[in-house]
Amino acid sequence: NAGVTQTPKFQVLKTGQSMTLQCAQDMNHEYMSWYRQDPGMGLRLIHYSVGAGITDQGEVPNGYNVSRSTTEDFPLRLLSAAPSQTSVYFCASSYGTGGAEAFFGQGTRLTVV
Amino acid sequence: QQQVKQSPQSLIVQKGGISIINCAYENTAFDYFPWYQQFPGKGPALLIAIRPDVSEKKEGRFTISFNKSAKQFSLHIMDSQPGDSATYFCAARGGWGGATNKLIFGTGTLLAVQP
Repeated sequence: NAGVTQTPKFQVLKTGQSMTLQCAQDMNHEYMSWYRQDPGMGLRLIHYSVGAGITDQGEVPNGYNVSRSTTEDFPLRLLSAAPSQTSVYFCASSYGTGGAEAFFGQGTRLTVV
Repeated sequence: QQQVKQSPQSLIVQKGGISIINCAYENTAFDYFPWYQQFPGKGPALLIAIRPDVSEKKEGRFTISFNKSAKQFSLHIMDSQPGDSATYFCAARGGWGGATNKLIFGTGTLLAVQP
């Protein structure tokens, strides 16, 4: 059972470039979310989804887009990367729609130069 | 009101000692309080969780104490071991209103257990 799979594990972008961070889960979880982790700031919620076709903003949504066309996948798009988006990004999924008992992926370390 | 405040930022404990990490919140809409453990290079993993209708929950060496009136909860690690050395995050999830479906994390505590 793979759980939550994130790709890529590492990425370097130039300022202004766009990219998509991939997240897939095989647990048939309704709830999926994206967090960024920065030193001293913990994990901050970017966007989340309570099911296919439904997304909503978290604490720090600016500069990021999401969509949820299937239960399994929840990609995170950076439209125009900025150095402030240098971070470690984690995708998580949870059974049900409440976001409890989140299972996290291994993370994507993104550097924007 | 959405914040969860965690302390201390770092903690050094001798093997066999008790590690205590504290968290405080303001939003009374929070209805689920988990703790996550994260090792370097890995994603956080759920350790233990509590709901506000109980004051304490114990799983092995890990205990959550919950004080609803003070809006505080804490993680106690008994008989701390070097393998417990990790970063610990408290979190809270809202059950209604603006906090619904949002799992909000504290800033983390880096625990080092010395042999």
